[in-house]
Amino acid sequence: GENVEQHPSTLSVQEGDSAVIKCTYSDSASNYFPWYKQELGKGPQLIIDIRSNVGEKKDQRIAVTLNKTAKHFSLHITETQPEDSAVYFCAASMRPLKGQNFVFGPGTRLSVLP
Amino acid sequence: DAGVIQSPRHEVTEMGQEVTLRCKPISGHDYLFWYRQTMMRGLELLIYFNNNVPIDDSGMPEDRFSAKMPNASFSTLKIQPSEPRDSAVYFCASKRSSASSTDTQYFGPGTRLTVL
Repeated sequence: GENVEQHPSTLSVQEGDSAVIKCTYSDSASNYFPWYKQELGKGPQLIIDIRSNVGEKKDQRIAVTLNKTAKHFSLHITETQPEDSAVYFCAASMRPLKGQNFVFGPGTRLSVLP
Repeated sequence: DAGVIQSPRHEVTEMGQEVTLRCKPISGHDYLFWYRQTMMRGLELLIYFNNNVPIDDSGMPEDRFSAKMPNASFSTLKIQPSEPRDSAVYFCASKRSSASSTDTQYFGPGTRLTVL
């Protein structure tokens, strides 16, 4: 089955700097890769996603890149702000024939220091 | 839309008691997922339903856990009897199956379960 690894487990950056979180997956059939942000006491919220037919996607300060050959994808946050502090999860899934479930990475705790 | 609704938000119970967690998915969503989150194991999928039918329950840890979805707007996760190691945050998520829409799962706020 699919296995998703995520690094680093914790990340501290100064406000205004960039943050990068990387994930690798094992199953080459995976073709959908969402990123979730989880704030304390809340459920995970989708922040950006990418499908396997695209190499990069950007939404304001957030971008995701995908390297299908190497089976890894990364989350990039630029101009970080204190409100970006949270736990970030990557996930991988195969749609539509392999079921609709996600395999999540273990999470990265991002701290943005003012 | 109100989003995914879960109740209760917090539950404290004693070992051996029955616990029932409730979820109302987003209207129109035909997939419903139950997850468990702990520090040690992260986010684990327990079971998911499509059109009220359980599709994959391979993540359900033991026979003490059961889940039902009697209709499109309601699901329960029951633990009987509960044990201290069941203490975790339980999330419900839902999604809509449509080739033209995102695959995104929308999560509820979670139920924090503490078994003493």
